[in-house]
Amino acid sequence: TQLLEQSPQFLSIQEGENLTVYCNSSSVFSSLQWYRQEPGEGPVLLVTVVTGGEVKKLKRLTFQFGDARKDSSLHITAAQPGDTGLYLCAGAFKGSQGNLIFGKGTKLSVKP
Amino acid sequence: NAGVTQTPKFQVLKTGQSMTLQCAQDMNHEYMSWYRQDPGMGLRLIHYSVGAGITDQGEVPNGYNVSRSTTEDFPLRLLSAAPSQTSVYFCASSYRGGFGNSPLHFGNGTRLTVT
Repeated sequence: TQLLEQSPQFLSIQEGENLTVYCNSSSVFSSLQWYRQEPGEGPVLLVTVVTGGEVKKLKRLTFQFGDARKDSSLHITAAQPGDTGLYLCAGAFKGSQGNLIFGKGTKLSVKP
Repeated sequence: NAGVTQTPKFQVLKTGQSMTLQCAQDMNHEYMSWYRQDPGMGLRLIHYSVGAGITDQGEVPNGYNVSRSTTEDFPLRLLSAAPSQTSVYFCASSYRGGFGNSPLHFGNGTRLTVT
């Protein structure tokens, strides 16, 4: 089983602070997706990255895909309480038969 | 739009009982999958299907059966429930799975407790 390492596992910050979440693997991703999950709900897609070195922005969220397509990061600028949730990265690998393999997630809490 | 609908939302079973978790999608997606989510373990793939009549095992298939008789429905069966199957179960669908970078659309989960 391919392994996706996400860090940190937990993050508790004050409103207005910046943060970065990391997703790493020893294997090359064919594509990588970031999801956000709120309590009692299923994960919802935030972004898909495909090309090495790609950077995508979604309002205050910036997603980067490593040049070698083995790692990705999610940066949130000026976090708000509404950003609270579980952030999951998920990757498809050459051997994953098209299935997405998920990291364990980063639980973010933004305090007002 | 309904998207992915899972029933029931909550279920309590005794060890050894059987049950079926229902999943239906109305987006005409070819790919459907079942994941379980446990604290500290993330989402783990149980079974998946790339189209009607085709199913395959994921990372943690033991104790679970699936079938895909129609494009819309993908039920998950627990034949003899065990406490280790206490978890939150998510059904997800997409146009082509991980191929073509299709996003997964998730249901809101079934929280299962086995006593």
